[in-house]
Amino acid sequence: GAVVSQHPSRVICKSGTSVKIECRSLDFQATTMFWYRQFPKQSLMLMATSNEGSKATYEQGVEKDKFLINHASLTLSTLTVTSAHPEDSSFYICSAIAGGPTGETQYFGPGTRLLVL
Amino acid sequence: QKEVEQDPGPLSVPEGAIVSLNCTYSNSAFQYFMWYRQYSRKGPELLMYTYSSGNKEDGRFTAQVDKSSKYISLFIRDSQPSDSATYLCAMSSQGGGNKLTFGTGTQLKVEL
Repeated sequence: GAVVSQHPSRVICKSGTSVKIECRSLDFQATTMFWYRQFPKQSLMLMATSNEGSKATYEQGVEKDKFLINHASLTLSTLTVTSAHPEDSSFYICSAIAGGPTGETQYFGPGTRLLVL
Repeated sequence: QKEVEQDPGPLSVPEGAIVSLNCTYSNSAFQYFMWYRQYSRKGPELLMYTYSSGNKEDGRFTAQVDKSSKYISLFIRDSQPSDSATYLCAMSSQGGGNKLTFGTGTQLKVEL
């Protein structure tokens, strides 16, 4: 159980275009999902917390108008990178919260590799 | 100073060796400690979850937390080539379902 999927797994786009990344909890409902970004050889950095039916909460330094998050249902959150630039090239990973024997735990998706040319 | 420090490695060990991975942290509010394994180009997979100080064992994996020293460890016994991955420590003050602060990850290679 507790499987999280992401689509697409990899995307290449031209500078100035927008890219949408989907995060789905496949076998459970997730009121809260998180979006992370990971640069090569660096740790995961939390970008925003996505709550179903309400506005996302962004971490300091993350532009909410550039990284649009929509959590329209209990199994789907989307991250749209608007007007992407080469510096946005990164590995984007989502996670969803599921309960378990040790309490709530984050289960991560497989990630989406974005390359902006 | 980063909130969580982790040696990035790479750490190379022979098959069958005992592996010790460590993280130190500075935020005394952290109460929940996790270890994730991340294969190349994949999302992190939860390995161990502990609360407060103490030890926890699961198969070949043992997690230790020493809050007095702000130091956590993950031990892997009888290491296998399939254990080759990056191991990330993560911490939270409010539980695993809340904001996590990650270490940079230690790259481990288990050689035949």
